[in-house]
Amino acid sequence: AAGVIQSPRHLIKEKRETATLKCYPIPRHDTVYWYQQGPGQDPQFLISFYEKMQSDKGSIPDRFSAQQFSDYHSELNMSSLELGDSALYFCASSLRTARGIQYFGAGTRLSVL
Amino acid sequence: GDSVTQMEGPVTLSEEAFLTINCTYTATGYPSLFWYVQYPGEGLQLLLKATKADDKGSNKGFEATYRKETTSFHLEKGSVQVSDSAVYFCALSDHGNRDDKIIFGKGTRLHILP
Repeated sequence: AAGVIQSPRHLIKEKRETATLKCYPIPRHDTVYWYQQGPGQDPQFLISFYEKMQSDKGSIPDRFSAQQFSDYHSELNMSSLELGDSALYFCASSLRTARGIQYFGAGTRLSVL
Repeated sequence: GDSVTQMEGPVTLSEEAFLTINCTYTATGYPSLFWYVQYPGEGLQLLLKATKADDKGSNKGFEATYRKETTSFHLEKGSVQVSDSAVYFCALSDHGNRDDKIIFGKGTRLHILP
């Protein structure tokens, strides 16, 4: 079965650079979520989209933005990167009717040097 | 706000031992409850779920029962294997507030010794 695809798997950037992370949800899923997991931490919710509209917003810095496109894939754009942005970024997708069951991608590991 | 509290690790057990990882939650609505597992260097995998009170989720020998009266969702396995070594996250998604983001506990690292 198709899963959530994230790219790239690994990304190395310098401070103050920008990064774009991509997420391709499971086909026919209508909701996409982004989470950030710092080293040794639990995943923290950043933002979600339902049917291409922003649905909910968590602890996402103003330097970050995200959108969902007409083909339902989503991109997380991160600007003015800081050392503290180094983390594993997960995308998850779900069907809104599925009582919160979200399927996670393998994540993008971002290292900011 | 909503939160999940789970026992701190690391938890170290011998192979074939009985496992319990405690998890309690606070929610204002009617949450669905989950256990996710993260193997070293990998992403999050849904291990099991329960969407209403008294539901029992089970998978790969792991079980957890949704106890509304004690707001708990403890994870159990009767006989652990070395391959179960991973970090386990208890989590909830609270639909009562139409807010379906997942809130995770801090995670419990499990080490199984051969």
